[in-house]
Amino acid sequence: TQLLEQSPQFLSIQEGENLTVYCNSSSVFSSLQWYRQEPGEGPVLLVTVVTGGEVKKLKRLTFQFGDARKDSSLHITAAQPGDTGLYLCAGATLFQGAQKLVFGQGTRLTINP
Amino acid sequence: NAGVTQTPKFRVLKTGQSMTLLCAQDMNHEYMYWYRQDPGMGLRLIHYSVGEGTTAKGEVPDGYNVSRLKKQNFLLGLESAAPSQTSVYFCASRPLARTYGGELFFGEGSRLTVL
Repeated sequence: TQLLEQSPQFLSIQEGENLTVYCNSSSVFSSLQWYRQEPGEGPVLLVTVVTGGEVKKLKRLTFQFGDARKDSSLHITAAQPGDTGLYLCAGATLFQGAQKLVFGQGTRLTINP
Repeated sequence: NAGVTQTPKFRVLKTGQSMTLLCAQDMNHEYMYWYRQDPGMGLRLIHYSVGEGTTAKGEVPDGYNVSRLKKQNFLLGLESAAPSQTSVYFCASRPLARTYGGELFFGEGSRLTVL
């Protein structure tokens, strides 16, 4: 069974602080996605990283895929209350010949004004 | 801009009752998925479909059945609900992609409580 472990599971910080969320596995993934989910809604894709070592930036969010494609991180600079939400990482792999996404358990982020 | 629509959004069942969750997508996507989301466990794949008339089991298929008679619809059935099936259920779809990493488009979720 492929597992993705996210840490921390909960994080509450003040507006303006920086933070990093980690997503780790012992398995290799062909790509890794990060989603954000707000209460009462489904997850929405933030980014997909495909190449080992790849770094992508989305405004104040920086995503990195590990060189061995087993882990990833999400760094937020100068966090704002609007960043509050559940962040999910998901690794793509083949399952019975079709693409399957394995999800981490999520990091619930709260940014306090 | 409907995207992926799930009905119902909320349902309370008694143990042993049956029900069907409906997922409809208007994006002409080939792939459709049913996930359940439980606290601290992320999203777990129940069943999925790679096209009209085809279905396959995911990680946690026991107690659920699915059907995809039309490309735009994916139904999730519970024949005899159990308290362990209390969860939030998400339907998702994505287009056929030549490479990995295709974006999943999710519905808003259906919250099911089994008493």
